[in-house]
Amino acid sequence: KAGVTQTPRYLIKTRGQQVTLSCSPISGHRSVSWYQQTPGQGLQFLFEYFSETQRNKGNFPGRFSGRQFSNSRSEMNVSTLELGDSALYLCASSWATSYEQYFGPGTRLTVT
Amino acid sequence: SNSVKQTGQITVSEGASVTMNCTYTSTGYPTLFWYVEYPSKPLQLLQRETMENSKNFGGGNIKDKNSPIVKYSVQVSDSAVYYCLLGDCQRRRSNYQLIWGAGTKLIIKP
Repeated sequence: KAGVTQTPRYLIKTRGQQVTLSCSPISGHRSVSWYQQTPGQGLQFLFEYFSETQRNKGNFPGRFSGRQFSNSRSEMNVSTLELGDSALYLCASSWATSYEQYFGPGTRLTVT
Repeated sequence: SNSVKQTGQITVSEGASVTMNCTYTSTGYPTLFWYVEYPSKPLQLLQRETMENSKNFGGGNIKDKNSPIVKYSVQVSDSAVYYCLLGDCQRRRSNYQLIWGAGTKLIIKP
């Protein structure tokens, strides 16, 4: 069974730009969660989608948004990038919210 | 409100046993997950402990309960960050919360 895939793996953007990250979950998984990981803040939950609906949301500004498609693939968008948005963005999929999550390798975003 | 606390860093020598604590507060019905992050590898599930499988779990209003993970005879390759995740089911509201601990960095000295 293929694992969670994320594209791109690395990204360099400048302040003020926007970025879209993509996540393909494990086949059959309908829940996709997004996380931001930084050395200073650790692992922080962004949001979770289940069957194309946002089910849970963390404490991030509205510049961070996401969506999920009918095939469970998910995208995360960050608009008006700031230097502090530089981080590893992780995607995790699971069969449902209460089940164990399987993580992708992450997208390393650098904002200059 | 729900919360999870973990020790920041633990350093031990190879061959030792180590206990990593996860102290949580739950207002619903909890499930605990342990994940491990090895350097340059994706987070992976270590274990899951659900209310049905644990005699120590009750329903609602659990405060500062510790559910540790123990590793015996550790090796240098066990060096990683270990995360505790609390899944809290609020059945009345049909809501499920996921609360992550900050992680424990385990360093094994040869």
